[in-house]
Amino acid sequence: RKEVEQDPGPFNVPEGATVAFNCTYSNSASQSFFWYRQDCRKEPKLLMSVYSSGNEDGRFTAQLNRASQYISLLIRDSKLSDSATYLCVVNGAGGYNKLIFGAGTRLAVHP
Amino acid sequence: EAGVTQFPSHSVIEKGQTVTLRCDPISGHDNLYWYRRVMGKEIKFLLHFVKESKQDESGMPNNRFLAERTGGTYSTLKVQPAELEDSGVYFCASSRYTGVVNEKLFFGSGTQLSVL
Repeated sequence: RKEVEQDPGPFNVPEGATVAFNCTYSNSASQSFFWYRQDCRKEPKLLMSVYSSGNEDGRFTAQLNRASQYISLLIRDSKLSDSATYLCVVNGAGGYNKLIFGAGTRLAVHP
Repeated sequence: EAGVTQFPSHSVIEKGQTVTLRCDPISGHDNLYWYRRVMGKEIKFLLHFVKESKQDESGMPNNRFLAERTGGTYSTLKVQPAELEDSGVYFCASSRYTGVVNEKLFFGSGTQLSVL
């Protein structure tokens, strides 16, 4: 079983749609949780950290359920510029600085 | 503020040759990491430096890979001899603090390595 599992997608949605990404992780001791965004042939960039109480940044909302070891990302009113691969990332058993990446979910927003 | 820079951006070598990748972290960042993504797989951790010391090298695939960070500034990752399965994108990242929950890592744009 992979340490971080994501739906591979792709998700093809029209502009303005609401999109939800799901992720599960296997290490119950993980303490750091993130969503990264990766554009084609580019480096991953931090989209947002995920906190236990849930957090929101504009059109983006992240949720964490520690009991279920489940993380989600919701994008509202999707834009063409949201098209990218979304990576679920948690810290591994080696410490807070060692990140474990999911394989990513590709999102394509069309007009 | 300059970001994490990596050199070269692309490298094409033949099997059996040696390649050295370089990473310059953000100034003042004690932590430097190497990650790589091979075709069709997720990004995987290779190792973590704190200043010039290797904190965790559990992700290094085998002894053909050698990472150094002399003086605690830039780092090099040497692959010798390169094999076909080493092809992929090698990312370097840096962060300021060690052992902090939700510490943000800044990634370089990566080196695309192709071994023929």
